Amino acid sequence: NAGVTQTPKFRILKIGQSMTLQCTQDMNHNYMYWYRQDPGMGLKLIYYSVGAGITDKGEVPNGYNVSRSTTEDFPLRLELAAPSQTSVYFCASSYSSSYNEQFFGPGTRLTVL
Amino acid sequence: KQEVTQIPAALSVPEGENLVLNCSFTDSAIYNLQWFRQDPGKGLTSLLLIQSSQREQTSGRLNASLDKSSGRSTLYIAASQPGDSATYLCAADSGNTPLVFGKGTRLSVIA
Repeated sequence: NAGVTQTPKFRILKIGQSMTLQCTQDMNHNYMYWYRQDPGMGLKLIYYSVGAGITDKGEVPNGYNVSRSTTEDFPLRLELAAPSQTSVYFCASSYSSSYNEQFFGPGTRLTVL
Repeated sequence: KQEVTQIPAALSVPEGENLVLNCSFTDSAIYNLQWFRQDPGKGLTSLLLIQSSQREQTSGRLNASLDKSSGRSTLYIAASQPGDSATYLCAADSGNTPLVFGKGTRLSVIA
């Protein structure tokens, strides 16, 4: 049982490039989340999903897209990378919203230059 | 809109001391209050989750309490050790709304 896994661990992008951050969970959780963490700013929710085929915006969705074709996978897409997207990105999952214990992946550290 | 605050932002204590970390939230209609630990450069590890019907949860040397009426939660760490040094975050959710995080308290336990 690997929990929540994320790839890559690190990435450097040039302005305007695109990339996909991968997230997979093997706990059969319905809910999945993407957060970004900036120094001194806490975690902010980008997008979340309550099940396959269903996604919704969080607090800071601009510049990102997601999809949820399977229960296990929840990739985050950056289409036109900007320096403001330099951050650490965390994926998380939970079984339900009523017992919302969230489990986090190790994170992806992204730098946009 | 739920807001979560953690004070102080940083705390340094000598090894062996008992300590309390504070978390306050503005909307008392919460379903769950969760405490996490984050080591430098790592992800978040769930420590304790308190449901709204509960007043506290315990795991080893950790005890978390929840007082919805006052909008407060505390994380008590007994007999602190240098290995407890990390950032501790609390987060609240109100049912079908996502978790709202505090900015964390950075704890240093000095040997």
